[in-house]
This record gives sequence, C-alpha cells and structure tokens, in this order.
Amino acid sequence: AQSVTQLDSQVPVFEEAPVELRCNYSSSVSVYLFWYVQYPNQGLQLLLKYLSGSTLVKGINGFEAEFNKSQTSFHLRKPSVHISDTAEYFCAVSDRGSGGSYIPTFGRGTSLIVHP
Amino acid sequence: ETGVTQTPRHLVMGMTNKKSLKCEQHLGHNAMYWYKQSAKKPLELMFVYNFKEQTENNSVPSRFSPECPNSSHLFLHLHTLQPEDSALYLCASSLEQGSAEAFFGQGTRLTVV
Repeated sequence: AQSVTQLDSQVPVFEEAPVELRCNYSSSVSVYLFWYVQYPNQGLQLLLKYLSGSTLVKGINGFEAEFNKSQTSFHLRKPSVHISDTAEYFCAVSDRGSGGSYIPTFGRGTSLIVHP
Repeated sequence: ETGVTQTPRHLVMGMTNKKSLKCEQHLGHNAMYWYKQSAKKPLELMFVYNFKEQTENNSVPSRFSPECPNSSHLFLHLHTLQPEDSALYLCASSLEQGSAEAFFGQGTRLTVV
C-alpha cells in the first residue's frame, strides 16, 4: 500500500518569508501527486497536481511544487507567504491499488503558521 | 464553493441514535468518497463508490453504512456509534475513481456523546 510522509507537523514562518513543506511517498511505478489546503472549518481545496510532464508544477495562490522521482518527493514551496496562507496543508498520492483502481492516500498534514 | 455539499454541517448524537449524513454533487462526477478526519491522525479513506458501485471498504466498522442511490448522492448511515467516532466526516467526488482531482465538501462535524 502507498504511504505518504509529511515530515513536519507544524511550520512557523514570518510573513513575506519563503516556505517549503515537505512530502515523501513510497515508491510506485505510476502515481498522481497532489497538494491540498484546508482552512479552519472547511473541506480540502486543491492547490496543485502533478499527473505527467514538467516536474515543476504551479498552483493557485502562488504555490508551486517539484516532483522528484529519484527521491520520491513532492515538496511544496512559496517564495513569500501571507498571513492568509495560515492553514493545514495535505500531500496526497493516487496510485493503482491491488484491485487495479486508483486509490488516493493522504499524509498527516502540515500546519503552516504565518506570523506578522 | 466546490460543488460538493454536505449536510448537516454539525451533528451531535447519542450512542443509541440513528442518523444519516448526506453528500450531494452536481459536477457530473462518477466517483464519490467518504473520509474521516480525526485530530492528530491522517485523513482516513472509508468508502469509495465508482459509478454507484462500492469499490472500496477500508475495514470500516459495520456501525457505518454507506449508500449511493445515484452518482450525485452519497449517504453515510450511522448507528450505535462510539465516542471515538467523533470526527470531521468529509465527502469528496472526482470524475472517476482516483482521477486527477477530488473536490471536497465542507464536512460534517460529528460529536458522539
């Protein structure tokens, strides 16, 4: 079964500083990769996705992520964060399960806390 | 607004009650999912329906019973729950199972007393 590891449970950062949220997954032949954001009392919203092609993926709100196959990583970055980026961020991987269908698996989440 | 609507947003129920959670999408998606989100734990996939057929049951206790009458609606029937079942229950849909993007509802915050 696929596993997703988000190495940091909490990342504090000052406003306008850069940030990187780390995500590693267990190896698989073919995977789809996602980052979601969850604001308080809300569901999850897709930030960006990697399906194929360019390994650098740009998403909404100025976020980007880079797929590194050799390191099985998909780290999320933003060059300058805002207070409004304070939220929970989830990395997710979708690959073929034993039944042949794609099964999404989520990491534990990283709480990004932006200080003024 | 993601196009996936969950009701109710909040639910408090006793351990002997029977209640149902509802999820609705009109995005034309064919796959629908129930997830459980507990504090300090990863998002847990509970059930998956693809074209109205249940394709995944992730070892969920029988006190949770899903129902998918059509591709637009998904229910989670709850019966004799335990306090540890208190969590945020999230519904999601995607064009097909595991495909490019899942759209999530805002969740139902369930408290079992």
